Amino acid sequence: QQQVKQSPQSLIVQKGGIPIINCAYENTAFDYFPWYQQFPGKGPALLIAIRPDVSEKKEGRFTISFNKSAKQFSLHIMDSQPGDSATYFCAASRNYGQNFVFGPGTRLSVLP
Amino acid sequence: DTEVTQTPKHLVMGMTNKKSLKCEQHMGHRAMYWYKQKAKKPPELMFVYSYEKLSINESVPSRFSPECPNSSLLNLHLHALQPEDSALYLCASSQGPRAFGTNEKLFFGSGTQLSVL
Repeated sequence: QQQVKQSPQSLIVQKGGIPIINCAYENTAFDYFPWYQQFPGKGPALLIAIRPDVSEKKEGRFTISFNKSAKQFSLHIMDSQPGDSATYFCAASRNYGQNFVFGPGTRLSVLP
Repeated sequence: DTEVTQTPKHLVMGMTNKKSLKCEQHMGHRAMYWYKQKAKKPPELMFVYSYEKLSINESVPSRFSPECPNSSLLNLHLHALQPEDSALYLCASSQGPRAFGTNEKLFFGSGTQLSVL
């Protein structure tokens, strides 16, 4: 129940494409769903986050779509750039909790 | 200043050595974390300190010993490690468990890449 599933494991798109990364969870007590971006040799950095009372959130080129009934959420990157090439982790926590559960990660490559 | 600073960036140690990893933040955050990350895997939570008290210990072996001397500093003392402990060790901080109305946004450092020979 603590697991967060994430797919695909890796993704290759052309510059300007719209990569989509999907995550699913089981624990309905989760109430906070962040996405983290990690470049090689660096720690993860918060990209965007959503709570279950909202179905969509946009920040710049990044959009989270949230489907509470399906217990799924996804990250869309509009007009992707080579600089977006990184590993993306979805995560979940509950009750303003400090114990985040991370998905296994998606390695994104954006070709020039 | 929105940085979490970790030292050293790289560390190689033998199985009989004792070493320490250090982490520092000056954002006024009252929660600090240690995560372990293996290559191509997500971060795994090890310890959480809230208001300088250990609040979460994810059943980590005793060869890892955390310490929080004050609200800005976090150490991880290492002793008698095994080769399988080789990983990227990440420190993170967040506002704190009582920051009502805000979920816990984690700020990560760049990590210490540890190799145990």
